[in-house]
Amino acid sequence: GESVGLHLPTLSVQEGDNSIINCAYSNSASDYFIWYKQESGKGPQFIIDIRSNMDKRQGQRVTVLLNKTVKHLSLQIAATQPGDSAVYFCAETASGAGSYQLTFGKGTKLSVIP
Amino acid sequence: KAGVTQTPRYLIKTRGQQVTLSCSPISGHRSVSWYQQTPGQGLQFLFEYFSETQRNKGNFPGRFSGRQFSNSRSEMNVSTLELGDSALYLCASSFRQGRTNEKLFFGSGTQLSVL
Repeated sequence: GESVGLHLPTLSVQEGDNSIINCAYSNSASDYFIWYKQESGKGPQFIIDIRSNMDKRQGQRVTVLLNKTVKHLSLQIAATQPGDSAVYFCAETASGAGSYQLTFGKGTKLSVIP
Repeated sequence: KAGVTQTPRYLIKTRGQQVTLSCSPISGHRSVSWYQQTPGQGLQFLFEYFSETQRNKGNFPGRFSGRQFSNSRSEMNVSTLELGDSALYLCASSFRQGRTNEKLFFGSGTQLSVL
């Protein structure tokens, strides 16, 4: 079946640098995307979402970019901090279905080097 | 607002037993979903409930079941536990109205270990 996948399983960045986490999706019907952060021993924490009628959305220190042409999603974290160290998941779903079901990528582990 | 609350936080069971996990969604949220997380399979959809009705179920055997109460609280049950059921079980809730999906918020999960 169609699924969401990640290009890079691990990412190490220097504190203060910007981080970019990538995600590819294959379901052309997907129109809603969410990025989650998961720290050890905790559930996924909502970071930012974007709908397919947008190309870019910004939050506090985070930006999500959506390229529907190549079915690609990215999460940019500005001025990465040690507290950003976690596993990041992208997830996608299609509105209009009878049920709300997210399909998750495998995750990217972000390690911030102090 | 309080977040999604899951109880218990940890559970240890033996093969063949059954287990019931509980979830209280964010106040006002009527959509409750359950996901299983394992190192090998990642996050996988179990089922979703809305207004006490199960609207969809993932690719899991019939041993996995759930229900939702009139106050939107939900429980999931796993019968005849197998070693492979060891996982983090996550509950999530959303203020989903109509057919437009909204932000999905997760609880901290119940870590189930089957011995």
